[in-house]
Amino acid sequence: DTGVSQDPRHKITKRGQNVTFRCDPISEHNRLYWYRQTLGQGPEFLTYFQNEAQLEKSRLLSDRFSAERPKGSFSTLEIQRTEQGDSAMYLCAASRGGSSPLHFGNGTRLTVT
Amino acid sequence: SQELEQSPQSLIVQEGKNLTINCTSSKTLYGLYWYKQKYGEGLIFLMMLQKGGEEKSHEKITAKLDEKKQQSSLHITASQPSHAGIYLCGADAQGNNDMRFGAGTRLTVKP
Repeated sequence: DTGVSQDPRHKITKRGQNVTFRCDPISEHNRLYWYRQTLGQGPEFLTYFQNEAQLEKSRLLSDRFSAERPKGSFSTLEIQRTEQGDSAMYLCAASRGGSSPLHFGNGTRLTVT
Repeated sequence: SQELEQSPQSLIVQEGKNLTINCTSSKTLYGLYWYKQKYGEGLIFLMMLQKGGEEKSHEKITAKLDEKKQQSSLHITASQPSHAGIYLCGADAQGNNDMRFGAGTRLTVKP
């Protein structure tokens, strides 16, 4: 158990619908990351937070994607007007910053039909 | 941006055999991290290497960092079916805990 929990584990949605995922890290982890992973690939960086501040966003994060970490604890990732290409595993990771390793949740698998 | 290339992409070995997985970076490595992933699950942290020439071991897995070559290797001795999974290397692109990953090496261990 890495201490990072993600909800839901699986989400099936129809194209055009909005979806929201949640990530809960343990309290000592002030850095929180979102990654997307497709079959046969490594995780692709989407965005990360230092406490409540969103410090970097990948160009992969189109206008349809938004992430928040309102109180510097849990985070949400929302995808609006989902497309079939959004189908992937969405991974959340957290760390204490510096050179400390990232600890990953088990991910949310999104299927867009 | 930093790119990490892993080789081989997949590996099938007989139980008991040794194996090596490599990770090569296109840029200077400030930190190299090895993770293991089972299908449909998150990544599990294995080891972190920060200094050139550093070598770390955990049970039958040893990782080394060659800073000059911008390369790391992961070696498994006397492989077991429990070692099967996807091994991923991650690197800190700018020394600020901003991590990118390779595509992974899928390991199958045949009993």
